[in-house]
Amino acid sequence: GQQLNQSPQSMFIQEGEDVSMNCTSSSIFNTWLWYKQDPGEGPVLLIALYKAGELTSNGRLTAQFGITRKDSFLNISASIPSDVGIYFCAGQLSSGGSNYKLTFGKGTLLTVNP
Amino acid sequence: DADVTQTPRNRITKTGKRIMLECSQTKGHDRMYWYRQDPGLGLRLIYYSFDVKDINKGEISDGYSVSRQAQAKFSLSLESAIPNQTALYFCATSETGTADSYEQYFGPGTRLTVT
Repeated sequence: GQQLNQSPQSMFIQEGEDVSMNCTSSSIFNTWLWYKQDPGEGPVLLIALYKAGELTSNGRLTAQFGITRKDSFLNISASIPSDVGIYFCAGQLSSGGSNYKLTFGKGTLLTVNP
Repeated sequence: DADVTQTPRNRITKTGKRIMLECSQTKGHDRMYWYRQDPGLGLRLIYYSFDVKDINKGEISDGYSVSRQAQAKFSLSLESAIPNQTALYFCATSETGTADSYEQYFGPGTRLTVT
């Protein structure tokens, strides 16, 4: 199936630092979504992006839909301990009849050291 | 109250047993999904349903079956559990026919262990 390359796989940062992570693909996507998963819980939707070039913020989180429609970025500013978790990107492909489906990245594990 | 609930939250079962995982939602969404999550593999789609009469296989449906009892309820069954079905299982929902249709909302998950 389609692959989303999410990087980095893990990050260990100090509280207060900014964080960047991204997802890339060889395919074009119509929609990009960013989720966060806390330990023992289900993924929670953070940001949804629907237009190439779109930049959307949700508090300290900012995500961008890449101009090429093949990538997306998530930035977290001034990290705090509760930012710890796994961050997933998900995309909806522009081609094919399976437009219901989301393709998920494998996640970025974020650890914040107080 | 949570919009998407799953029961049980944890389950340990033996090889060969039949088990059912249940999902209920109060979001009023038509579309429901079952995923499994394994370390390093991300989320993989098992089955999805666009409405009560529309059920479709996902990428890893072998060994699983589903039932959509109502708009709000979608159950996943393992007919004869095997150890490599040990995983986290998530139910998700989404709307139909809107610009936000691709936004999926997840339940809290069921941790299943097959011994």
